[in-house]
Amino acid sequence: GAGVSQTPSNKVTEKGKYVELRCDPISGHTALYWYRQSLGQGPEFLIYFQGTGAADDSGLPNDRFFAVRPEGSVSTLKIQRTERGDSAVYLCASSLWGSSYNEQFFGPGTRLTVL
Amino acid sequence: AQTVTQSQPEMSVQEAETVTLSCTYDTSESDYYLFWYKQPPSRQMILVIRQEAYKQQNATENRFSVNFQKAAKSFSLKISDSQLGDAAMYFCAYREETSGSRLTFGEGTQLTVNP
Repeated sequence: GAGVSQTPSNKVTEKGKYVELRCDPISGHTALYWYRQSLGQGPEFLIYFQGTGAADDSGLPNDRFFAVRPEGSVSTLKIQRTERGDSAVYLCASSLWGSSYNEQFFGPGTRLTVL
Repeated sequence: AQTVTQSQPEMSVQEAETVTLSCTYDTSESDYYLFWYKQPPSRQMILVIRQEAYKQQNATENRFSVNFQKAAKSFSLKISDSQLGDAAMYFCAYREETSGSRLTFGEGTQLTVNP
């Protein structure tokens, strides 16, 4: 079956602009995660959804970052007033609640570049 | 807070040889999971191997095996009979036993396989 997909693959924007990053999880996966991976670093947790609700948003760096998952499937990560420090690869992962290990399956990420 | 440390930013190995990647972690929990992920230039995170903390037996997956030392909080990855396709960034990751918990990643080790 299809894996986790993310669009766009690459996004270049200017400082101060608004961006939306999309994640399509594996069909039927109830849990969805967003991570941010800066250059040369490991991914860092941003937010976790169980169904439609954000179960843990403690990783969001500030109030410019927001994520939604209105129908419990596709999720959008929204960044307002982008800053150069937001440049990173944004990874999405999904897992099936109650499955063995709750293994997280990752998408290919969106590389965001803020000029 | 849990932390994961990979002290080897880069490693290299000759094709068909064996290499060991190091990882240490810090946690006050007794039940948790540990993982090794591979990230090739395509950015896709691929699960290599996982270990449940309550299991004393070290996990193995074909050419990949781990040395899990719970008391020392050490979790190293051994790759036997290295292949050119093993070249990638490798991340060690920790996750609490609770379903839906975030992954905490180390900084990564870039593995080069020389023909």
